[in-house]
Formats: sequence, structure tokens, C-alpha cells
Amino acid sequence: KAGVTQTPRYLIKTRGQQVTLSCSPISGHRSVSWYQQTPGQGLQFLFEYFSETQRNKGNFPGRFSGRQFSNSRSEMNVSTLELGDSALYLCASRPNPLGADTQYFGPGTRLTVL
Amino acid sequence: DQQVKQNSPSLSVQEGRISILNCDYTNSMFDYFLWYKKYPAEGPTFLISISSIKDKNEDGRFTVFLNKSAKHLSLHIVPSQPGDSAVYFCAASARTSGSRLTFGEGTQLTVNP
Repeated sequence: KAGVTQTPRYLIKTRGQQVTLSCSPISGHRSVSWYQQTPGQGLQFLFEYFSETQRNKGNFPGRFSGRQFSNSRSEMNVSTLELGDSALYLCASRPNPLGADTQYFGPGTRLTVL
Repeated sequence: DQQVKQNSPSLSVQEGRISILNCDYTNSMFDYFLWYKKYPAEGPTFLISISSIKDKNEDGRFTVFLNKSAKHLSLHIVPSQPGDSAVYFCAASARTSGSRLTFGEGTQLTVNP
């Protein structure tokens, strides 16, 4: 079974721009979560989607948003980029958001904001 | 408030010996715990997990122990191999918070040949 895929793998943007990252979950997985990894804050939860609905949201400003499509693929968007948004953005999938299912991560998108 | 803590930023062991990575948590609502291994610029790779109803889970060279009263878990790797060198993250989730993962800071494990 193919793993979680994320595109693009690397991205360079300038302050004030907006960016969209894409994630395709493992086949059959319907829940997708997004995480941000930075040297200072570590790995932090952004949000989780299931059945095209946001089920859970972390403590991030409204500039960070996401959506999920009917095929479970998900996108996250960051508007008005700031230097501090430079990070590795990770997508994780699991079969469903109920119960203690393990989350499986993609390779991440490395975003650099100049 | 750091709810999951890995107090050792780094650990160095000899090949063939045991590696013990530790993790402490403060949130008593956590009911599922996981260990991930991560290389730079890659996503975390799932290693092993344990439910709060158990105190031990084994998978090959990896064993996770959970001490709920002490709010402590540990990952044992026996025997350690040079290919195990990576950053190891402890993570916890609680059904009451939608099962989002809360991660520790990570421990860099180096296994010397």
C-alpha cells in the first residue's frame, strides 16, 4: 500500500504571499491531520479533517486553514506568510478519527519564507 | 505547558547494547502512546504504540513500557544497531481531545559501531 504523499516537497515563498500544500492519505484512510515542525516549538498539531469537516484545531492563527475533499485528499493554506512560518509541514493519516488508531506521516513539505 | 517531555536531548550507545529512551507526561487524560523515529527532512516513522490499559508492548527489538502511576513511558531497543541512529519522538493522545498527537521534544539516539 502506498504511503502518505505530500506535494510539493520544498517551497520558497516571500513574506506576505500565500501558499497551498497538498496531502494524499494512505488508501482507505479517511482522517487527515496536519502538523508543523520548527526548531523552537517542535511538532505541533494544526488541524484534523474527516469527511470533509474540520474535527479538531490546534492553537494557530486564522491564517492557517485547510480543507478535505471527497476522496480524502487534503490541502492546507497559509495566507500572508510570515518569516516564522518557515517550517516542515507534515500530514498524517489514519483510518478514522474514532479510537486510538496510529497516525502515519508523509515526508513533509519544507517551506522557507524569505 | 509542555504536556509530554523527553528530558534527554541525546543518547549515545554502543552497537549491540540496549538503548533506553524515556518520556514523561502530565496529562492524565492521555490514553494512547506512540514512539516515532525521524530522520532530518523526513516525516516521522511509526515504531510502536501502547494503550493505557497495558503496561508493556513488544515488537521485535522494540519494547515500550508504560507506568501510569508515574506518568512515564520508555522505549527499549535491544540490540541497538547503527541504523537505529535517528531522533526518537514520544507522542500521546487522548480521546477527549479528538486524539490529536502531542509530541515530546525528541531524543537524538546515536549508536556507535
